Amino acid sequence: EIVLTQSPGTLSLSAGERATLSCRASQTITGNYLAWYHQKPGQAPRLLIYGVSRRATGIPDRFSGSGSGTDFTLTISRLEPEDFAVYYCQQYCNAPLTFGGGTKVEIK
Amino acid sequence: EVQLLESGGALVQPGGSLRLSCAASGFTFSSISMYWVRQAPGKGLERVSGITGNGVDTNYADSVQGRFTISRDNFKNTLYLQMNSLRVEDTAMYYCAKGGVEVPFDQWGQGTLVTVSS
Repeated sequence: EIVLTQSPGTLSLSAGERATLSCRASQTITGNYLAWYHQKPGQAPRLLIYGVSRRATGIPDRFSGSGSGTDFTLTISRLEPEDFAVYYCQQYCNAPLTFGGGTKVEIK
Repeated sequence: EVQLLESGGALVQPGGSLRLSCAASGFTFSSISMYWVRQAPGKGLERVSGITGNGVDTNYADSVQGRFTISRDNFKNTLYLQMNSLRVEDTAMYYCAKGGVEVPFDQWGQGTLVTVSS
């Protein structure tokens, strides 16, 4: 099973600042099958990024993903008020599919 | 429009059973794997179980193996999760999600709440 470790656990930033979230895998993720989701309180998770760097439908271009192998990054270039949420990475290259523990982006 | 609508969540005593359903629409249900993902209060996401489009292959988290059974009815476009021998630690919001190996979870339901308590 691929274990995903996200850091930091909490990121305290102000609107307009840049957010950098990390996701490290315990083994190489093949096929670029790495996704990011965000979840706002009381809502279901929503797909942001798939294939390491591809934005899902309707996701603004301030969100970008990068990385390869075992190290991946989600960057939010300028935080908007609606971006304060919890972010999860997920590998879907092989079963069992696994999620990281999440990074909470909170208002400073 | 793709929609997933879960139902069946409830308050149940330890040792009890529940069956969750997820009604799907807006896509070719039989061609895509489906998953159940749960989230305990204040916790992260946990993959519970998955099933391939034809229903032949299934997988389970160790924590539910032998107690939960995933199934699907491709004529009714519905995914199920039969949950037996429920434990307090099964308390969570249960989401169904469309996707699987090599396919991201591009659609999630709104969730159904399962509470296991005496």
